[in-house]
Amino acid sequence: DIVMTQSPDSLAVSLGERATINCKSSQSVLNSSNNKNYLAWYQQKPGQPPKLLIYWASTRESGVPDRFSGGGSGTDFTLTISSLQAEDVAVYYCQQYYATPYTFGQGTKLEIK
Amino acid sequence: EVQLVESGGGLVQPGRSLRLSCTASGFAFGDYAMSWFRQAPGKGLEWVGFIRSKAYGGTTEYAASVKGRFTVSRDDSKSIAYLQMNSLKTEDTAVYYCTKEGCSGGRCYSNCWGQGTLVTVSS
Repeated sequence: DIVMTQSPDSLAVSLGERATINCKSSQSVLNSSNNKNYLAWYQQKPGQPPKLLIYWASTRESGVPDRFSGGGSGTDFTLTISSLQAEDVAVYYCQQYYATPYTFGQGTKLEIK
Repeated sequence: EVQLVESGGGLVQPGRSLRLSCTASGFAFGDYAMSWFRQAPGKGLEWVGFIRSKAYGGTTEYAASVKGRFTVSRDDSKSIAYLQMNSLKTEDTAVYYCTKEGCSGGRCYSNCWGQGTLVTVSS
């Protein structure tokens, strides 16, 4: 199975500041045949289901604010929130869908400093 | 509006069975793969299994922890996906989410999630 490891486990950032979450996969999730990274980012607020933010590592889902961006390739990926808003407090998960079983990182809890 | 509504959760004894349903609306259900995920209380997300669209054979894949006990199926005429859970164990206790994948053939992100249904396995 592909192991996904996120860092840090928790993060406190001031409003308006940048937040960066890292995700590392135990093997590459880049498909060389289509040059796509099979990596997604989700946001989960308490009592709610996860919400897709980013797919193919860097494509923002429709309706997601442009302060959210994804980057990286192969085994190392990042989710960046350029200017933290109060409503961004949540747990963030990366997920690989390159191979089954789909696997997730352990989650990063983002709070306001 | 794309919507997924799960039902069928509840309290069940170990070793018994339960069937979850996921009723979809707002999109061409038959064109997409459908996945099930679960989240144990206070824990992270775990993929359970998926079913491809009929165009990709309607085939299924499962996590090792549920393979042989759980079955994903679909009724495209009713826009419903099912998760049949047999031989339930206490460690299957979780909120179960149904999702729509962004592709037809599996190996895809989930771009719509239901609200989830709680399954509690306990004597």
